[in-house]
Amino acid sequence: AQSVTQLDSQVPVFEEAPVELRCNYSSSVSVYLFWYVQYPNQGLQLLLKYLSGSTLVESINGFEAEFNKSQTSFHLRKPSVHISDTAEYFCAVRTRYGKLTFGQGTILTVHP
Amino acid sequence: DAMVIQNPRYQVTQFGKPVTLSCSQTLNHNVMYWYQQKSSQAPKLLFHYYDKDFNNEADTPDNFQSRRPNTSFCFLDIRSPGLGDAAMYLCATSRGGEGTNEKLFFGSGTQLSVL
Repeated sequence: AQSVTQLDSQVPVFEEAPVELRCNYSSSVSVYLFWYVQYPNQGLQLLLKYLSGSTLVESINGFEAEFNKSQTSFHLRKPSVHISDTAEYFCAVRTRYGKLTFGQGTILTVHP
Repeated sequence: DAMVIQNPRYQVTQFGKPVTLSCSQTLNHNVMYWYQQKSSQAPKLLFHYYDKDFNNEADTPDNFQSRRPNTSFCFLDIRSPGLGDAAMYLCATSRGGEGTNEKLFFGSGTQLSVL
C-alpha cells in the first residue's frame, strides 16, 4: 500500500521569501505523485504532478517539485511566495483508477 | 463555470437523523468519488463509482452509503450520523481508466455539522 508523509503541518513565511513544503512517500511499485492546493472554503485543485520523465515538474504559478526516487521525496518549492499563496497544500500518491492517498496537509501562511 | 457542484455548501443535521449530500458534474466523467476530510486531517476516500460499479473502501463504515442514479449525479447518504461524522465531504470526478494524464476534479465540498 502507498502512503504519504508531509513533514510539516504548518509553514509560516514572509512574502517574497522562498519556501519548501516537504513530502515523502512509500510505495512498492511505480508511483504517480501530485500536489493539490486547497484555498479557504474551496475544494482541492491540482497544482502539479509527476507521472514520468523529467524529475522536475513546474506549475503555472511558479511552484515546482522534484521527484527524488532514492530519497522517496517529492518536495514542493517556490523561490518567492505571495500573499495569495496562503492555502493548505496536500501531497498525494496515486494508485490504480485514480485513487489518491493524501498526506496530512501543510498549511502555508504568507505574512506581509 | 463550475464542473463539479456540491450542494449544499453547509449542512446541519441532528444526531441520528439521516442526511443526504449531493454532487453533480458536467464533465461526463466515468468515475465519481466521495472523500471525507476531518479538521486538520487528510482527505480520506470513502468509496467511488466507476460508471455504475460501486467500490467501497474496506474501512468505510456501514453507516455511509452512496447512490449514482446516472452519470451526472452521485449522492452520499449517512443513515445515522454521529458526532464523529462531522467533516467536510468532498466529491471528485475523473475520466476513468489508468491513463497517466488523469487528474481528479474536486467540488467545493459540503461542510457537515452534527448537533
